[in-house]
Amino acid sequence: EDQVTQSPEALRLQEGESSSLNCSYTVSGLRGLFWYRQDPGKGPEFLFTLYSAGEEKEKERLKATLTKKESFLHITAPKPEDSATYLCAVQARGSYKLIFGSGTRLLVRP
Amino acid sequence: DARVTQTPRHKVTEMGQEVTMRCQPILGHNTVFWYRQTMMQGLELLAYFRNRAPLDDSGMPKDRFSAEMPDATLATLKIQPSEPRDSAVYFCASGLSTYTDTQYFGPGTRLTVL
Repeated sequence: EDQVTQSPEALRLQEGESSSLNCSYTVSGLRGLFWYRQDPGKGPEFLFTLYSAGEEKEKERLKATLTKKESFLHITAPKPEDSATYLCAVQARGSYKLIFGSGTRLLVRP
Repeated sequence: DARVTQTPRHKVTEMGQEVTMRCQPILGHNTVFWYRQTMMQGLELLAYFRNRAPLDDSGMPKDRFSAEMPDATLATLKIQPSEPRDSAVYFCASGLSTYTDTQYFGPGTRLTVL
């Protein structure tokens, strides 16, 4: 069964304190791994898609990496506006479905 | 700035009443998804349309939920009759059925059934 596990559930950082969020997955042939950001009261906002092990993508202070079993979302020198829930999802080959993890709630304090 | 729009943003209703949620997908997108988000279950897929045809509604309680796409610019999700356990945030997402398959989410409808 396709499955996504995100850790930690919650993370508190001081502004400028870099860290990483983890997304472990099992899927019967990966078509894509997706990262979304969700702010309270809003819909998930697309960040990245990764397709194959070794691939990396960056956007401002965020960098996503992918291996055959997990993905990391690295946050470098975070700011309070980076506070949000970060969701990871996988899509299996031949499937349209996104299987979402339960998310990591990130709080960055000034 | 192309976005998925959803109406209403908030809905409070009494148990037994009919609820209709509407979604306008991004122009040019040919896939539409309906999700439900709760604290306990996270994001659950309810229904999937491609080129306006319903391809999967296995995530929906069939006896009370229905989803349609009357045209390419409108998707609807109906609950009749509504129950307190239907209280959740309902999201619509749209995308292009290409290799990337990225789904773009709307702002959601927060439904409270009393």
